[in-house]
Amino acid sequence: QVQLQESGPGLVKPSETLSLTCTVAGGSVSSGSYHWTWIRQPPGKGLEWIGDIYYSGNTNYNPSLQSRATISVDTSKNQFSLKLSSVTAADTAMYYCARVHDFWSGYYGPFDAFDVWGQGTMVTVSS
Amino acid sequence: DIQLTQSPSFLSASVGDRVTITCRASQGISSYLAWYQQKPGKAPKLLIYAASTLQSGVPSRFGGSGSGTEFTLTVSSLQPEDFATYYCQQLNSYPWTFGQGTKVEIK
Repeated sequence: QVQLQESGPGLVKPSETLSLTCTVAGGSVSSGSYHWTWIRQPPGKGLEWIGDIYYSGNTNYNPSLQSRATISVDTSKNQFSLKLSSVTAADTAMYYCARVHDFWSGYYGPFDAFDVWGQGTMVTVSS
Repeated sequence: DIQLTQSPSFLSASVGDRVTITCRASQGISSYLAWYQQKPGKAPKLLIYAASTLQSGVPSRFGGSGSGTEFTLTVSSLQPEDFATYYCQQLNSYPWTFGQGTKVEIK
């Protein structure tokens, strides 16, 4: 059974770069049936999609982050990572990594959904 | 961006109640919609994908329907473990977006 685990500093100073890693256990980041994503949730608020990455390295990002986000994959370590530059207090949140599954419903699809999530890691931006 | 509006934002219900949550999209998204359940301090859990397909292991009291711009999540008989916050998500086009959430509390 695939498990995801986020890791990284819990405290980042304003204007610096937030760096998180998601380690995939029990599966491979190189699997063609899945790709990988980051989501965040400010305290007491809703979910915000950050971006995703395929094992090939192709990425998509949320424009709301104004090009501050970079997601990469390291197949040798079975990990993928998030860097978020020029952070402010507004970036304080629980950060989750997740697996994106390409589901097929009969002949129709693929329908993406986030079927495996990490437990999340809280990142606070403060001096 | 495609906006998703959930209603209600909050609902109070009793064990055994039938509960329905609506998710409306600002433009058509076919059936590219998922529903998640989140309990306090936990990561979200996938309940439904493709608008109406139950994820493996999810109890059959959960059901999803809809296509285009209007979708519903129904819990046929609310159980104590179902008190949580529920989110819809569109995966029709980037950037993927979530609804604001519906918190289901015990009456």
